[in-house]
Amino acid sequence: LAKTTQPISMDSYEGQEVNITCSHNNIATNDYITWYQQFPSQGPRFIIQGYKTKVTNEVASLFIPADRKSSTLSLPRVSLSDTAVYYCLVGRGGAAGNKLTFGGGTRVLVKP
Amino acid sequence: DTAVSQTPKYLVTQMGNDKSIKCEQNLGHDTMYWYKQDSKKFLKIMFSYNNKELIINETVPNRFSPKSPDKAHLNLHINSLELGDSAVYFCASSPRDGTQETQYFGPGTRLLVL
Repeated sequence: LAKTTQPISMDSYEGQEVNITCSHNNIATNDYITWYQQFPSQGPRFIIQGYKTKVTNEVASLFIPADRKSSTLSLPRVSLSDTAVYYCLVGRGGAAGNKLTFGGGTRVLVKP
Repeated sequence: DTAVSQTPKYLVTQMGNDKSIKCEQNLGHDTMYWYKQDSKKFLKIMFSYNNKELIINETVPNRFSPKSPDKAHLNLHINSLELGDSAVYFCASSPRDGTQETQYFGPGTRLLVL
């Protein structure tokens, strides 16, 4: 299984860009990389997903280098409401079922 | 309106009891999951069902038994509860079985075993 490693926590200030890197050295060829956001007392919520290169949506960008052994979630101009835990998920699909591995999560604190 | 719902939201019980957590999704998804989130916030998949059939059964004690009466429901029954079962349990669903599928999570059930 592709094990993922993320920083435990990060602090930032409103208006700054936050970049969170997830390491997944054992990622397999057919694995996708997905990031989720979790607020206290809520379930995780999908942010962005990618397979390679760069993906951007209205919330974030995801950078994936050519070797795909890591990925970086970029949150532009964060606000206080972006304070949450961010999880990197690497999953492998196949006939044996999906092996889904969440990272330990990165707790992002946005300060005023 | 709730896409993925779980009941109960909180569950406090004694060791040795048997309890069930219910999950329902109204998104028309084919695949449903159960996750356990411990006090350190690690999210671990427990089970995955696709069209009512079990497709993932991670290393989980056999005291945990999922049941899917239909595609929209995946319930979790736990026998002989232990202290270590205390955690938040999340149900999730996705349109299909595939790692590229977005998962939609329920609000969680906070289980405390005394």
